[in-house]
Amino acid sequence: QSALTQPPSASGSPGQSVTISCTGTSSDVGDYNYVSWYQQHPGKAPKLMIYEVTKRPSGVPDRFSGSKSGNTASLTVSGLQAEDEADYYCTSYAGSNHVVFGGGTKVTVL
Amino acid sequence: QVQLVESGGGVVQPGRSLRLSCVASGFTFSTYGMHWVRQAPGKGLEWVAGIWYDGSNKYYADSVKGRFTISRDNSKKTLSLQMNSVRAEDTAVYYCARDLAGIFVFDIWGQGTTVTVSS
Repeated sequence: QSALTQPPSASGSPGQSVTISCTGTSSDVGDYNYVSWYQQHPGKAPKLMIYEVTKRPSGVPDRFSGSKSGNTASLTVSGLQAEDEADYYCTSYAGSNHVVFGGGTKVTVL
Repeated sequence: QVQLVESGGGVVQPGRSLRLSCVASGFTFSTYGMHWVRQAPGKGLEWVAGIWYDGSNKYYADSVKGRFTISRDNSKKTLSLQMNSVRAEDTAVYYCARDLAGIFVFDIWGQGTTVTVSS
């Protein structure tokens, strides 16, 4: 299984929105609604932000939302805040009891 | 509170073995699938291995299949990763993670333990 494709970086000013894409194939993103997104601050463990494409765990602000179209999933962060500056990783179930990660996107709040 | 604490990392020579452990607390360990995920220095996340709640099924990334073994002891609330024939490319921070509902969604993570493979 190949890694999912994410842009290396994205940025936005406070209060603006930023959208991160995650492109896979018809064997992973396109075939399963099991796309998740993780936020990771430097030196910290990842944190689950979105799962099953659109679901938010308890405690995650509703500024974070997910979607999917075909083989591409997206994470949108609305109303950007300074604390949203972090690395973001997507994952997708890829069948045969495997999961693939994206390469990560560094979000900068300008 | 819900917590995962890894241990066992360190410096190991290429070709040697190392065993990582992850102790769970604050939740019913025996009802959740568990995984190991690693992150090489300056790189992204990579899923390594997963195990069902009862240990009956185990899954591995191609990069570690045949060299690493995941196991669990539900009586001790402990997840383990036996790493054999380690290579330089196994150098990483290793995280244990809880599976939300058996769908490879990692909702709780430990703080990680660092493994360095070097002669």
